[in-house]
Amino acid sequence: EVQLVASGGGLVQPGGSLRLSCAASGFTFSTYDMHWVRQAAGKGLEWVSGIGTDGDTYYPDSVKGRFAVSRENDKNSLYLQMNSLRAEDTAVYYCARQSERIIMVRGAYNSYTWFDPWGQGILVTVSS
Amino acid sequence: DIQMTQSPSSLSASVGHRVTITCRASQSISSYLNWYQQKSGKAPKVLIFGASILQSGVPSRFSGSGSGTDFTLTISSLQPEDFATYYCQQSYSTPYTFGQGTKLEI
Repeated sequence: EVQLVASGGGLVQPGGSLRLSCAASGFTFSTYDMHWVRQAAGKGLEWVSGIGTDGDTYYPDSVKGRFAVSRENDKNSLYLQMNSLRAEDTAVYYCARQSERIIMVRGAYNSYTWFDPWGQGILVTVSS
Repeated sequence: DIQMTQSPSSLSASVGHRVTITCRASQSISSYLNWYQQKSGKAPKVLIFGASILQSGVPSRFSGSGSGTDFTLTISSLQPEDFATYYCQQSYSTPYTFGQGTKLEI
């Protein structure tokens, strides 16, 4: 069974740091891009980072320079190092695998990607 | 960044009814559009990827259509388990972005 289990959340003061972990099982972790997505209470979904199989990383402007995603393939683990935390970073954080299907459309190959599965979510609260 | 706008933000419907949720991208994203369902307190679950391709295991009452900037998710006959919040998401380019969600209520 494919499974993602996040850990490391909790309460942290503004300006502080926290490291989230995501343990993967049931698939060949090293061959998949991985992501973090967050959701503030009662709000929508916000993508916060991605890491490719080659180690390339991607961030939206809202966290760039403060968050760092990494992976350890030999431990089947994904991480999110969060620094200079702000109240607005308070959210449930989900790790997610990037799934892909390549389909030929009008003679050209298109690579469709989506997030599946998702971990259970871990709460991060930034408050004094 | 590509902005995704869903409508309506909330929707009331009855079991057996047909509902449609729309999603508009701020620029063309071809067919790089995914739909997710999220139930209260749970992680999102993908329903459709590539704008119209049903994920394995998802009931056929769910369907998606559209390309370019305008997309729709249709549930042909609502079932009690379909009452949830639905999100669209573009996978055309980073930063990946989601619509604000549509809450489907009884």
